[in-house]
Amino acid sequence: GAVVSQHPSWVICKSGTSVKIECRSLDFQATTMFWYRQFPKQSLMLMATSNEGSKATYEQGVEKDKFLINHASLTLSTLTVTSAHPEDSSFYICSARWRTYEQYFGPGTRLTVT
Amino acid sequence: QKEVEQNSGPLSVPEGAIASLNCTYSDRGSQSFFWYRQYSGKSPELIMFIYSNGDKEDGRFTAQLNKASQYVSLLIRDSQPSDSATYLCAVIPGGGADGLTFGKGTHLIIQP
Repeated sequence: GAVVSQHPSWVICKSGTSVKIECRSLDFQATTMFWYRQFPKQSLMLMATSNEGSKATYEQGVEKDKFLINHASLTLSTLTVTSAHPEDSSFYICSARWRTYEQYFGPGTRLTVT
Repeated sequence: QKEVEQNSGPLSVPEGAIASLNCTYSDRGSQSFFWYRQYSGKSPELIMFIYSNGDKEDGRFTAQLNKASQYVSLLIRDSQPSDSATYLCAVIPGGGADGLTFGKGTHLIIQP
């Protein structure tokens, strides 16, 4: 149980374009999902909390107009990086909350902006 | 600023020995504590979670929590080369939000 998938696993895009990343809980319903970002040699940083049917809550310093989050169903949350720039290149990882507070992570999406 | 501190290592342990990983946190209101294992280039994998003071054992892993000292640890018994990875301590801070605050991780190397 508690399997989370992400798609795509890696993506290369040109500067100024937008990229959408999907996060799915495969064997459970997740009312809350989370989006994290990890730069090389650094730890994970929480970007936003995504609640089904409501607006996402963004962490301080994360631009909500740049990182659009949609949690349209109990098994799917999407992160769209709009007008991507090279500094947005990173490892984006989603997680879904299962049971009480445990979070299970997807395999991550490696984004490279050229 | 709510922080989670870990020794970055590397921590080198002989195969078969006990590996001891430590973590301290600054937010006294924190209630939930997690240990994740992360292999290079991969996403974190949940190993243990602990919510109450004391010890919690699961197979070769034991998590220990001391809220008074704001300290949480992970013991790995009978360490195997496959345990070589970065171990991330994560905390849900007080205040109602459920997002995890991670430490920078300890790089563990199990020497065959």
